[in-house]
Amino acid sequence: GAVVSQHPSRVICKSGTSVKIECRSLDFQATTMFWYRQFPKKSLMLMATSNEGSKATYEQGVEKDKFLINHASLTLSTLTVTSAHPEDSSFYICSAIFTGTQSYEQYFGPGTRLTVT
Amino acid sequence: DAKTTQPPSMDCAEGRAANLPCNHSTISGNEYVYWYRQIHSQGPQYIIHGLKNNETNEMASLIITEDRKSSTLILPHATLRDTAVYYCIVRVLTSGTYKYIFGTGTRLKVLA
Repeated sequence: GAVVSQHPSRVICKSGTSVKIECRSLDFQATTMFWYRQFPKKSLMLMATSNEGSKATYEQGVEKDKFLINHASLTLSTLTVTSAHPEDSSFYICSAIFTGTQSYEQYFGPGTRLTVT
Repeated sequence: DAKTTQPPSMDCAEGRAANLPCNHSTISGNEYVYWYRQIHSQGPQYIIHGLKNNETNEMASLIITEDRKSSTLILPHATLRDTAVYYCIVRVLTSGTYKYIFGTGTRLKVLA
């Protein structure tokens, strides 16, 4: 299957700083990527849809100024958590849509665990 | 909101078939059903998907009812490594973009 990577896998930052998470599709081009957030023992919550070359579409309740998304190329999307606070600590997962088949399978990255102290 | 409902948890004996049900009664005619699983602290792993017909691959089989209101994921010979949370997802078209909204999933525990 298609491969999606995330970097970093883990990050610890101090409150008030910003953190950037990268999501890359390694062997295919992805016009659409998604960003999810997951709390312990909970399901994935869709945060935003990222389309190459255009502004991201955020889900209701997600602050776009807090979670900056950039999708500058067909293989890279970034999520920047600005002025992070302890409540932003979470598991962040990206996914990319593989359009090589008609059914548009979604492939996920391994996730990034963010801890804000 | 998720368009799927699944039982919160299931147990299965190692070597036996695991049958995981999913209800998606509001599914539209052109919406696919996807199954993913997530092992602790990893990204979800794609398993299988289908539209109308039953599907089989090296990991699992997907049985979709004729009215498409429910489906069952079958792991034919469950192993301990299949212990995971299994998500059934219906892809939704919203404002011209496909979205995959996760429900609560089924936590499958394979017992030795």
